[in-house]
Amino acid sequence: SQQGEEDPQALSIQEGENATMNCSYKTSINNLQWYRQNSGRGLVHLILIRSNEREKHSGRLRVTLDTSKKSSSLLITASRAADTASYFCATDDNYGQNFVFGPGTRLSVLP
Amino acid sequence: DAGVIQSPRHEVTEMGQEVTLRCKPISGHDYLFWYRQTMMRGLELLIYFNNNVPIDDSGMPEDRFSAKMPNASFSTLKIQPSEPRDSAVYFCASSLGRGSGVTDTQYFGPGTRLTVL
Repeated sequence: SQQGEEDPQALSIQEGENATMNCSYKTSINNLQWYRQNSGRGLVHLILIRSNEREKHSGRLRVTLDTSKKSSSLLITASRAADTASYFCATDDNYGQNFVFGPGTRLSVLP
Repeated sequence: DAGVIQSPRHEVTEMGQEVTLRCKPISGHDYLFWYRQTMMRGLELLIYFNNNVPIDDSGMPEDRFSAKMPNASFSTLKIQPSEPRDSAVYFCASSLGRGSGVTDTQYFGPGTRLTVL
């Protein structure tokens, strides 16, 4: 079964609102990454958080990691229509192997 | 750098034909990954290489699939014979070396959209 699973599967919000996506995983990880995919394009790396980190920021992005709950969240603040995309979390295992992507959250930001 | 380059961008073929997908990783990256993406199964890791050597091919679905990396700047994914269920977008990605077991950022190519009729 997949290591990382995002929820919700789809999210629709208004421009200016915040968007929160969650990722849960099953086994211990070395690090967790979030990627974004625009329709018809390849994935683009957004942020990496290591297992010994609890929070990380990058511009309007905020990622948290709770290893006790085996979960992570991606918050996009002040969303824009251009943020419309699918967002994936990806995890590896304790050995930096078995790199697995979740099924993704499809975010729609309405103008 | 031009990023990860994949060719062709689109491929339409008939069942039973051989299909070859190509990838040029970012110069200096020593890991190369092949993924397949479908609506039903999402993004699946097929195989990855380190320094041109296949490390894990457990994701390769069947013997009809094979991948090679003859040198640091080129890799191919071949499907022979192709079947309609192979229709998907195939992505190649590359990354720098994994130090201390930490997985590095992967840089994805634009993908090849394969349609097998």
